[in-house]
Amino acid sequence: SYELTQPPSVSVSPGQTARITCSGDALPKQYAYWYQQKAGQAPVLVMYRDTERPAGIPERFSGSTSGTTVTLTITAVQAEDEADYYCQSTDSISINALFGGGTKLIV
Amino acid sequence: QVQLVQSGAEVKKPGSSVKVSCKAFGGTITRNAISWVRQVPGQGLEWMGGIIPIFGTANYAQKFEGAVTITADESTNTAYMELNSLRPEDTAIYFCGRGSNTGTTEYFMDAWGKGTPVTVSS
Repeated sequence: SYELTQPPSVSVSPGQTARITCSGDALPKQYAYWYQQKAGQAPVLVMYRDTERPAGIPERFSGSTSGTTVTLTITAVQAEDEADYYCQSTDSISINALFGGGTKLIV
Repeated sequence: QVQLVQSGAEVKKPGSSVKVSCKAFGGTITRNAISWVRQVPGQGLEWMGGIIPIFGTANYAQKFEGAVTITADESTNTAYMELNSLRPEDTAIYFCGRGSNTGTTEYFMDAWGKGTPVTVSS
């Protein structure tokens, strides 16, 4: 079955740049979405359609794509960015959604 | 900005069923992709299935096919997720999410409910 693969954790110091990757064979054909989830809260959409930032999401969040990998980049990371980040995309065959395993960003 | 309000916490016995609701305020659900997402304590997000009410038919992740029924009532802007034959492993928080109308059948979530905790215990 189709899977999206993320690193379990990424660790950066405040002010540095964090890059969180998500790999999947269908990513060249299907959009990726990114969600931020802080402890005890519902997820929040921080990137849609690979590179689009929703209203209200800081400009330090950006998205990029290259082949079968999409990347969420957070520049000048702040302590408040510490959270779990999940990528989500679509299975090309079933049209069902699926999530990556999640990446814990440690600041 | 649409708000999704979910029903309250549930405690269920193994073998029983639970039905969770998700009502949209400040927007409709008719042409929007509504998803249900499960999060077992300490684990990641898991897409269970979804529905786009104008199309009527629900889609289910293979893992949940046959165990979950997702429906929607356009007249009340409410979506429902019913999980049958509950087991202790179904103890989790169940979220609903709505994607903005893109004119496609793509599922994503730019609005989320706060989640409904479901505990399955004898």
